[in-house]
Amino acid sequence: DIQMTQSPSSLSASVGDRVTITCRASQGIRNNLGWYQQKPGKAPQRLIYGATNLQSGVPSRFSGSGYGTEFSLTISSLQPEDFATYYCLQHYNYPPTFGQGTKVEIK
Amino acid sequence: QVQMVESGGGAVQPGRSLRLSCVASGFTFSSYAIHWVRQAPGRGLEWVAVTSYDGSNKFYADSVKGRFTISRDNSKNTVFLEMSSLRPEDTAVYYCARDRSNSYHFISYYFEYWGHGTLATVSS
Repeated sequence: DIQMTQSPSSLSASVGDRVTITCRASQGIRNNLGWYQQKPGKAPQRLIYGATNLQSGVPSRFSGSGYGTEFSLTISSLQPEDFATYYCLQHYNYPPTFGQGTKVEIK
Repeated sequence: QVQMVESGGGAVQPGRSLRLSCVASGFTFSSYAIHWVRQAPGRGLEWVAVTSYDGSNKFYADSVKGRFTISRDNSKNTVFLEMSSLRPEDTAVYYCARDRSNSYHFISYYFEYWGHGTLATVSS
């Protein structure tokens, strides 16, 4: 199975900060990577597909980059509603696998 | 709008069975593969199983293979997850999720729409 390693596992940031979360795949996955946001007690919500494509309805402060084994999710200006846990997902190889999550907390 | 609603969770003893259901609406159900993804308390996300658009192809995570069975009834827009020989480590919120692809020949394994989840607790 492909291992997905996110970093950091958690971070503290302030409203207005620029935040970047990294996801590394144990082998190349081309651009078959998605990002999800999950708030406590809620289902994950899709943010990014194809590594760089913003899902409909997702604010433009979210962006994704990367190809192959290194990927990142950037929030250009953190808003109060962005405090959540973020997961990457590789769907290039079976079985699909998630990163362990990055919790974004209020500083 | 797309909606997916799970039900059937509850508390059961180890070794017993539980059947989860997922009713979908807002899209052509029979055109999409549907997945189950679970999340143990305080833990990350784990893909569990998928059924193709017509139920002819089914795939499982190694952790549940031989114990869980996924099925679907396209006449009722419903997917099921029959869980047997349950173990404490199966305790989790179970989400159903729609695949992104509506190609009959391709499952993307990208989970585009999710239900709210149903909690299954396995404990003596």
